[in-house]
Amino acid sequence: QKEVEQNSGPLSVPEGAIASLNCTYSDRGSQSFFWYRQYSGKSPELIMSIYSNGDKEDGRFTAQLNKASQYVSLLIRDSQPSDSATYLCAVTPGGSEKLVFGKGTKLTVNP
Amino acid sequence: EPEVTQTPSHQVTQMGQEVILRCVPISNHLYFYWYRQILGQKVEFLVSFYNNEISEKSEIFDDQFSVERPDGSNFTLKIRSTKLEDSAMYFCASTGTSLGTQYFGPGTRLLVL
Repeated sequence: QKEVEQNSGPLSVPEGAIASLNCTYSDRGSQSFFWYRQYSGKSPELIMSIYSNGDKEDGRFTAQLNKASQYVSLLIRDSQPSDSATYLCAVTPGGSEKLVFGKGTKLTVNP
Repeated sequence: EPEVTQTPSHQVTQMGQEVILRCVPISNHLYFYWYRQILGQKVEFLVSFYNNEISEKSEIFDDQFSVERPDGSNFTLKIRSTKLEDSAMYFCASTGTSLGTQYFGPGTRLLVL
């Protein structure tokens, strides 16, 4: 069973702080890694994709991938109240095109 | 910006009834997916579809489920005889390339009574 694990939170940070979200995955052959944001009652919305080891930055967001440790993280700099949502880590296992999701980490940014 | 659309947004049905959920993927995408999310739980993969056939399906996707691309734009999920436990949010997703970013539709909230 291919698993993706996340701390469910809630994670609470003050406005302007850095939020750090973590994810581990069980399938060493996983190929593609994604962070989605999901507001309550809404569909997952892509934040970042990352395919190779290292860091990838897009505005206030930085994704980090370490395949040796089977670990993906997302940093949100200068957190805003509008960033308050559940962040879903999703992984494509080896030999598959499906997304396997973690349970998500609920982030609250306090004004 | 192109987006995935889904209809209806909400559906209420009686146990044992058939439902069809509809999706219009992004127009130049080739890979299509259905996921579901039971309230308070994680998003779960149901089925993937490429080149007019199922490419992968999960254990959830049993004989009660079927998918179809009846024309060049629509992608449908049919549940033949709904159960109470089928109550969930159903998301359609599409991508232009294998292993590429999957873009999700807004979902259909299905309630089986």
